Amino acid sequence: GAVVSQHPSRVICKSGTSVKIECRSLDFQATTMFWYRQFPKQSLMLMATSNEGSKATYEQGVEKDKFLINHASLTLSTLTVTSAHPEDSSFYICSASKGTGGRSPLHFGNGTRLTVT
Amino acid sequence: GEDVEQSLFLSVREGDSSVINCTYTDSSSTYLYWYKQEPGAGLQLLTYIFSNMDMKQDQRLTVLLNKKDKHLSLRIADTQTGDSAIYFCAGVYNFNKFYFGSGTKLNVKP
Repeated sequence: GAVVSQHPSRVICKSGTSVKIECRSLDFQATTMFWYRQFPKQSLMLMATSNEGSKATYEQGVEKDKFLINHASLTLSTLTVTSAHPEDSSFYICSASKGTGGRSPLHFGNGTRLTVT
Repeated sequence: GEDVEQSLFLSVREGDSSVINCTYTDSSSTYLYWYKQEPGAGLQLLTYIFSNMDMKQDQRLTVLLNKKDKHLSLRIADTQTGDSAIYFCAGVYNFNKFYFGSGTKLNVKP
């Protein structure tokens, strides 16, 4: 199998605080992990590509200083939403692939519902 | 970016077949994928098809690929209430970036 674990599943935080979301590949090593954001009734928006041992690659329009990504090992990537604001409230989903080039499917975590009050 | 289009809603009765359609613009994707998302959850891989295939069957699921028309479909036979979810088609561009359709919400009525 290919299991991706994401934690926490839900988090509520006050405006101005930071929140860390963890994404782990439990039974495989993932050189690359991907972070998506999903708005209500909309598709997934790729935020960034997380590369083990190097800096993340952010998509256009995504603030890298606001969404800090760290890929500390082949099984762990973290997304930190810094100085969160209500507009950051969303559903964040991580994913990982065993291989590259699209020949291996993405396996997704169960997502994190972030609510900023 | 790459464009993938899906109809937003589909409603069927339990026991009927469901057909979810997807059209895409980029024909370079080696594989095309179907994912299922239940409320409040991540995406679950359902099935995929290699780009040089026309059809793939996997139990109740049948994927049809028309490369000429850039059209992909997912047929669910004997649809059950547990199949109610949002279904996304996806392709790959720039070597390893997945792009997703807007998702089709399938509603199965008992």
